[in-house]
Amino acid sequence: EAGVAQSPRYKIIEKRQSVAFWCNPISGHATLYWYQQILGQGPKLLIQFQNNGVVDDSQLPKDRFSAERLKGVDSTLKIQPAKLEDSAVYLCASSLFAGDGNTIYFGEGSWLTVV
Amino acid sequence: RKEVEQDPGPFNVPEGATVAFNCTYSNSASQSFFWYRQDCRKEPKLLMSVYSSGNEDGRFTAQLNRASQYISLLIRDSKLSDSATYLCVVNPGAGTALIFGKGTTLSVSS
Repeated sequence: EAGVAQSPRYKIIEKRQSVAFWCNPISGHATLYWYQQILGQGPKLLIQFQNNGVVDDSQLPKDRFSAERLKGVDSTLKIQPAKLEDSAVYLCASSLFAGDGNTIYFGEGSWLTVV
Repeated sequence: RKEVEQDPGPFNVPEGATVAFNCTYSNSASQSFFWYRQDCRKEPKLLMSVYSSGNEDGRFTAQLNRASQYISLLIRDSKLSDSATYLCVVNPGAGTALIFGKGTTLSVSS
């Protein structure tokens, strides 16, 4: 079974530039999450989708971050304009059942460095 | 108060040692609990679920105390391969996303 695919794996941009990350979840997983993990910290939820609807985006900095999942499958996360503090790993995950830690799988992450 | 708090670590232990990690959570209505393992520069992966009755998987034992809102993970006979960051994870409610602790780093040396 194919896992959660993410791209690009690594990205270096200057502050105030924009960047977009793509995620393809495991086939059949209706729930998709984007987490941000800053070095030395645990993953922090940015947004949770159920199919193509947003369940929770309370911690998404909406002035600069946006995410969509138009057809209920792939998702993109965009940052514009980037700040130095956005340097982190952006982890996409999907699960069969919403919030089920037994069925959630993470992608390898997209590593962002903002200089 | 943070939603999920863990021992700060790091824990540096010799092979064969027993090590225990502790975690507390703030939301008393939380429904399910997990320990995840994260290797350096890798994604988090489920280590084990945590049940009120306790849960054992080989050298790993997880305990949950709902009254104290406390979760623990015990690793017996530590191996070099156990070196990783251990994340305490809580599901605060049905259909909601998992909340992760900061993680505790374990380094096992020969």
